Amino acid sequence: KAGVTQTPRYLIKTRGQQVTLSCSPISGHRSVSWYQQTPGQGLQFLFEYFSETQRNKGNFPGRFSGRQFSNSRSEMNVSTLELGDSALYLCASSPGSGRSYEQYFGPGTRLTVT
Amino acid sequence: DAKTTQPPSMDCAEGRAANLPCNHSTISGNEYVYWYRQIHSQGPQYIIHGLKNNETNEMASLIITEDRKSSTLILPHATLRDTAVYYCIVSGSGYALNFGKGTSLLVTP
Repeated sequence: KAGVTQTPRYLIKTRGQQVTLSCSPISGHRSVSWYQQTPGQGLQFLFEYFSETQRNKGNFPGRFSGRQFSNSRSEMNVSTLELGDSALYLCASSPGSGRSYEQYFGPGTRLTVT
Repeated sequence: DAKTTQPPSMDCAEGRAANLPCNHSTISGNEYVYWYRQIHSQGPQYIIHGLKNNETNEMASLIITEDRKSSTLILPHATLRDTAVYYCIVSGSGYALNFGKGTSLLVTP
């Protein structure tokens, strides 16, 4: 099976712009989660989508949003970029149902805001 | 989800077993213990998880104490490629994971 893919891998944006990141989960997986990783804050959970619905949300401002399509692919959007949004954005997929399950992470998108 | 405590760093000689401890004294009955690792600049990698019984897979073994307040991840024969940050996470579901700071494991030749 192909793994989780994220595009683009690297991105440079200017403060005030918006950005859209894409994630394609493992075939058959219905849950997609997004995480932000920075040197100062570590890995932080953004949100999780399951069957096109946001099922869980972390403690991030409304500038961070996401969506999931019927084929389980997901996008996250960050509007009005700030310098502090520079980070590695990771996407993870999992089957999404059952009592417990592991998540499979993609390689991430490295976003630099200047 | 319950909070976990891990040592910030550990060393292990190549070929020896690496035993990584984790305390999770406030774990509740329906919460699982998950272990992930992250090799520099890559996405985290799932290793293993368990509820109350010990678990083993091709990568590692997970030993959970009877009171479930602590656990140990065992890499039986550490290699240089096992150098990574190891995260112990307690979660009721497996998603919305709180990674914390983890343990930085250095495997030396």
